[in-house]
Amino acid sequence: AQSVSQHNHHVILSEAASLELGCNYSYGGTVNLFWYVQYPGQHLQLLLKYFSGDPLVKGIKGFEAEFIKSKFSFNLRKPSVQWSDTAEYFCAVNAPSGTYKYIFGTGTRLKVLA
Amino acid sequence: EAGVTQFPSHSVIEKGQTVTLRCDPISGHDNLYWYRRVMGKEIKFLLHFVKESKQDESGMPNNRFLAERTGGTYSTLKVQPAELEDSGVYFCASSLRLAGVYNEQFFGPGTRLTVL
Repeated sequence: AQSVSQHNHHVILSEAASLELGCNYSYGGTVNLFWYVQYPGQHLQLLLKYFSGDPLVKGIKGFEAEFIKSKFSFNLRKPSVQWSDTAEYFCAVNAPSGTYKYIFGTGTRLKVLA
Repeated sequence: EAGVTQFPSHSVIEKGQTVTLRCDPISGHDNLYWYRRVMGKEIKFLLHFVKESKQDESGMPNNRFLAERTGGTYSTLKVQPAELEDSGVYFCASSLRLAGVYNEQFFGPGTRLTVL
């Protein structure tokens, strides 16, 4: 069965620290990959997505992610976090066929200390 | 452009009662999804509509859950009768297309359901 693992459930960083959130997926075929963020009191919104092409994807707010096919990974990075990055981050995949439903990881709660 | 909206934002009901959740997708989005997050766990797929047709309801927990999308616009998800384990946040999402760069799903704010 398809699954997504996010290894870090809670992360606490100081402002200006670098961030890397891990995401690994289990699926035998081609996948589309996504990172969503949910700020406190807000709805899920897309940070970035990968469908094909350059495996290094840049998203909004200075975030980027790298797709490493051999490792089934799609880790999220940001060189310098801000207090406003405090949120919950979700990695998701879908297969480019059928219903395109998302399979989500369990989420990572990031707290950035000012 | 208005986003995906959901109503109500919160619902507290007693075990055995009925609750109906509503989702209004982004106008023009044929694809509508329902997901659920039980506390501490991952967001899980419930079902997918294309216009008014159910394409995949493999994630529906049991026959106490009934989803409809009359006319291919808004959708409702009814839980009858509600059980304690139905508590969680129910998310709705919509997308313009299935394939290609437009298959990004846009999420609503969710409905937090608490069954006492």
